Amino acid sequence: KAGVTQTPRYLIKTRGQQVTLSCSPISGHRSVSWYQQTPGQGLQFLFEYFSETQRNKGNFPGRFSGRQFSNSRSEMNVSTLELGDSALYLCASSWTGGETQYFGPGTRLLVL
Amino acid sequence: AQSVTQLDSQVPVFEEAPVELRCNYSSSVSVYLFWYVQYPNQGLQLLLKYLSGSTLVKGINGFEAEFNKSQTSFHLRKPSVHISDTAEYFCAVSDLGSGSARQLTFGSGTQLTVLP
Repeated sequence: KAGVTQTPRYLIKTRGQQVTLSCSPISGHRSVSWYQQTPGQGLQFLFEYFSETQRNKGNFPGRFSGRQFSNSRSEMNVSTLELGDSALYLCASSWTGGETQYFGPGTRLLVL
Repeated sequence: AQSVTQLDSQVPVFEEAPVELRCNYSSSVSVYLFWYVQYPNQGLQLLLKYLSGSTLVKGINGFEAEFNKSQTSFHLRKPSVHISDTAEYFCAVSDLGSGSARQLTFGSGTQLTVLP
C-alpha cells in the first residue's frame, strides 16, 4: 500500500506571497493532520480534517488554513508569508483520527 | 492540556552498546503513546505505539518501550545499537479527551548518535 505523499517536496517563496501544499493520505484513511516542524518550536499541530470537515485546530494565526476533498486529499494554504513560516510541513493520515498517524516525507518551505 | 518531556536532547553511544531514550508525559486523561524516528531530510517513521494492553511494547528495528502509568513514562530502549540507528527520536502523546485524540503532542526530540 502506498504511503502518505506530499507535494511539492521543496519550495522557495518570498515574504508576502502565499503557498499551497498538498497531501494524499494512505488509501482508505479519512483523517489528515498537518504539523509544522521548526528548529526553535519543534513539532506543532496545525489542524486535522475528517470527511472534509476541520475537527481540530492548533494555535496558529488565521493565515494558516486548510481543506480536505471528498477523496480525502488535503491542502494547506499559508497566506502573506513571513520569514518565520520557513519550516518542514508534515502531513499525517489515519483511519479516523483517534489512532496511529502515519507521516509523509514533508514539504520544506523556505521563505526569503 | 498534555505535554511531553524528553529528558535528553542528545545521546551519544558506541555501536553495539545498549541505549535508553527517556520520555515523560503529563495528561489528565488516558493516553496513547508513540515513538517516531526521523532520519535527515525525511518525515517521521513510526517505531512503536502503546494504545492499551501489555505495557511492554515491541517495535521495528529491535526497539521496545515500557509504559509506566504511575511514573507517567514511556522510555525507549534497544539492547544493541547500530550505526544506522543514528537519527532523531520523538516521543508523542495523544490523549483521549474529546477532540484532542486526533492531535499528537510531541517532545522536543532526542538526537541519538551511534559512534563506531
